[in-house]
Amino acid sequence: NAGVTQTPKFQVLKTGQSMTLQCAQDMNHNSMYWYRQDPGMGLRLIYYSASEGTTDKGEVPNGYNVSRLNKREFSLRLESAAPSQTSVYFCASSEAGTGFEAFFGQGTRLTVV
Amino acid sequence: KQEVTQIPAALSVPEGENLVLNCSFTDSAIYNLQWFRQDPGKGLTSLLLIQSSQREQTSGRLNASLDKSSGRSTLYIAASQPGDSATYLCAVGKNAGNNRKLIWGLGTSLAVNP
Repeated sequence: NAGVTQTPKFQVLKTGQSMTLQCAQDMNHNSMYWYRQDPGMGLRLIYYSASEGTTDKGEVPNGYNVSRLNKREFSLRLESAAPSQTSVYFCASSEAGTGFEAFFGQGTRLTVV
Repeated sequence: KQEVTQIPAALSVPEGENLVLNCSFTDSAIYNLQWFRQDPGKGLTSLLLIQSSQREQTSGRLNASLDKSSGRSTLYIAASQPGDSATYLCAVGKNAGNNRKLIWGLGTSLAVNP
């Protein structure tokens, strides 16, 4: 059972560079989410997607874009990375049929220098 | 605005103790509450999910209760083991338009000492 898979696990970027974080789930879930986790601030929602073809902003969307490529995949793009985007990024998915229990990937640790 | 608070922020206990972790929330209009475990440098593992209509859920040595009226949930860990050392996070599910969102506490960092 792969569940939710994120790539890469680690990444170092220079300020101004761009990159895309990939997320895929094999549980046939409609809802997918991107969070960032920072010390002392907990998990904060960046973007979410209720279903294929839809995306909505969360609490901290500035500096990010997302694409719900299909039901399985939800990617997060940083167009011009800034040191403030140094964080651990988590992708998650959930489904109404399982009471919206959230399942998480292992995270991407991103450092912007 | 929904806020979630977890107390204590950190806890250190000897092996074998029974312990209780607390989670409180300000708005009782929730659809579920979920407890997670996070090991250092790792992702989040779902431990227990309680729907808004339920009072408690059990899995092995873990028992989670939910009291919506008082805005509280507890995670009870029986006969703690060093392998239980981790951060425990509580998340409350709220409706948000056509979707549902989780509101997170900051977690309780647990150390179980042999």
